[in-house]
Amino acid sequence: QSVLTQPPSASGTPGQWVTMSCSGSGSNIGSKTVNWYQQLPGTAPKVLIHHNIQRPSGVPDRFSASKSGTSASLAISGLQSEDAADYYCAAWDDSLNGWVFGGGTKLTVL
Amino acid sequence: QVQVQQWGAGLLRPSETLSLTCAVYGGSFSSYYWTWIRQPPGKGLEWIGEMVHSGITNYNPSLKSRVTISADTSKNQFSLRLSSVTASDTAVYYCATGMSGFWGQGTLVTVSS
Repeated sequence: QSVLTQPPSASGTPGQWVTMSCSGSGSNIGSKTVNWYQQLPGTAPKVLIHHNIQRPSGVPDRFSASKSGTSASLAISGLQSEDAADYYCAAWDDSLNGWVFGGGTKLTVL
Repeated sequence: QVQVQQWGAGLLRPSETLSLTCAVYGGSFSSYYWTWIRQPPGKGLEWIGEMVHSGITNYNPSLKSRVTISADTSKNQFSLRLSSVTASDTAVYYCATGMSGFWGQGTLVTVSS
């Protein structure tokens, strides 16, 4: 049981706009910044978004994120086949004094 | 460009100590949060802990009694030790230069008798 809640799956067709959610509480998302990670099959995760909305160099601007209250969301516009991956959200949790992850959302590009 | 490379024993017996090392090439080593994360086969990510250059450590409460993260700034390396491993510690272990930073390639550690 993950501290942050993500839907287990999402899907879309090429060119579509897809969103996925991450729900937490006041001790994590509600008071701390959120990171998003992309894990392509068989590879290490990489940072997609940090500090709620910041994209590292090299991450396409098709990827965007937002946060409101105790929830956050990741959006992918112009979906591409290579976006098929597992996506994880994470945030610091003041109650646990550590980072917590969501269980991950598996994105399928149909 | 920062590169992160990790290594360590991949097969352990129950009760042994897991030991992994991570080297960081490029960037400013002392400015990073030296972080370890793991992922059991087919499952999600779990934060293990971190160390900052001041020496302060933060560990996952569920692993705190068995985990030690240390660093050798002269070599730009940091390490993870996890004692008294069991089969439930079988996972791919990743090091990272912080939760917003660069990740290593991962090391599969299997605990089996």
